[in-house]
Amino acid sequence: NAGVTQTPKFQVLKTGQSMTLQCAQDMNHNSMYWYRQDPGMGLRLIYYSASEGTTDKGEVPNGYNVSRLNKREFSLRLESAAPSQTSVYFCASSESQSYYGYTFGSGTRLTVV
Amino acid sequence: GDSVTQMEGPVTLSEEAFLTINCTYTATGYPSLFWYVQYPGEGLQLLLKATKADDKGSNKGFEATYRKETTSFHLEKGSVQVSDSAVYFCALNQAGTALIFGKGTTLSVSS
Repeated sequence: NAGVTQTPKFQVLKTGQSMTLQCAQDMNHNSMYWYRQDPGMGLRLIYYSASEGTTDKGEVPNGYNVSRLNKREFSLRLESAAPSQTSVYFCASSESQSYYGYTFGSGTRLTVV
Repeated sequence: GDSVTQMEGPVTLSEEAFLTINCTYTATGYPSLFWYVQYPGEGLQLLLKATKADDKGSNKGFEATYRKETTSFHLEKGSVQVSDSAVYFCALNQAGTALIFGKGTTLSVSS
């Protein structure tokens, strides 16, 4: 099925460990995004990529890095995980940043202990 | 900066009741407005959208009208079902920016 695929679905990390969350879309979308969802906070933008070769910080970028590997793939890296990064992470894509709405992946539930 | 404010939940209704979830926004310019729905354990799905003032978005019996004069985009449904139980997010975006979400409203419908 066409859409946004995120891996892994669940992950438990120890404080200080690193990991990369993977995201791939097969809709030929130009723009891709990483959000985190926390109880009572809604979704907050971590980083986004308006087009292949560009990335920009969102509302809560500290502690994260991203790579737009090609048009299809956009990864999120935690270099040294902290308990405050326990969250559900969603990747999304859209044709452009304007007006079209986004297609979301099913999320990665990350726990940092 | 731009922002979205939703009524706090949870909203608890009986089947066939009328639903309203309030959403207001603050934005410069002329944003597009969206409602997304998240079912338990899933990602967000676009429910409906409106791109200019007075537009009405509709889908699956849900409706919302873009009211520029009141900066609102309230979600309504005439008769809710148990299957509508989910978290609903109001969101906006403007040209060249990413979606900004409200905090979400949990709807629980009982039979």
